[in-house]
Amino acid sequence: DTAVSQTPKYLVTQMGNDKSIKCEQNLGHDTMYWYKQDSKKFLKIMFSYNNKELIINETVPNRFSPKSPDKAHLNLHINSLELGDSAVYFCASSDSPNNEKLFFGSGTQLSVL
Amino acid sequence: GQQLNQSPQSMFIQEGEDVSMNCTSSSIFNTWLWYKQDPGEGPVLLIALYKAGELTSNGRLTAQFGITRKDSFLNISASIPSDVGIYFCAGHGSNTGKLIFGQGTTLQVKP
Repeated sequence: DTAVSQTPKYLVTQMGNDKSIKCEQNLGHDTMYWYKQDSKKFLKIMFSYNNKELIINETVPNRFSPKSPDKAHLNLHINSLELGDSAVYFCASSDSPNNEKLFFGSGTQLSVL
Repeated sequence: GQQLNQSPQSMFIQEGEDVSMNCTSSSIFNTWLWYKQDPGEGPVLLIALYKAGELTSNGRLTAQFGITRKDSFLNISASIPSDVGIYFCAGHGSNTGKLIFGQGTTLQVKP
């Protein structure tokens, strides 16, 4: 059983399109995250939710909208995709907001053409 | 904002060699962690350090939390081909609740 699973693994799309990435964790954790890894492999937090409530919202364009229907799911919707959005997006979870032991999904490689 | 400087950026070593990498920060962290990312996968936690001066081992890996709380190092002894990957340090500050990652050290091991 995969602990943190995200889909799709690869996403290739045209500029201007809207796309979603889904994430689910079966660890019973309360806190979930979205991280972006750029072409230089730098990992930067985008959002964090604790029990469906947004607790961290970094300076991310409002074209990015996370949604957490329940604490086991955190989806990321991106509107009007731009070339600069191309990156690998990682979902992660931890058992609480102050627990730094994150469990990561295997990533979604987004390519915007 | 808080930044972590990780070095070296990349290493290419012979199987069996020992490896050392470190991470420094201008800010104090309460926790230091080391993650490894295999190609096509997400980072996986290797070691977590909670107290200044703490030295912790996990198999062939040893990591230390610096006395100043502004640095940490990771050593890998007797490297093997499956050690290949990107190693990230990360610092966690309880006041921000955020995990800040270093730029990563890419390790390649020649059999």
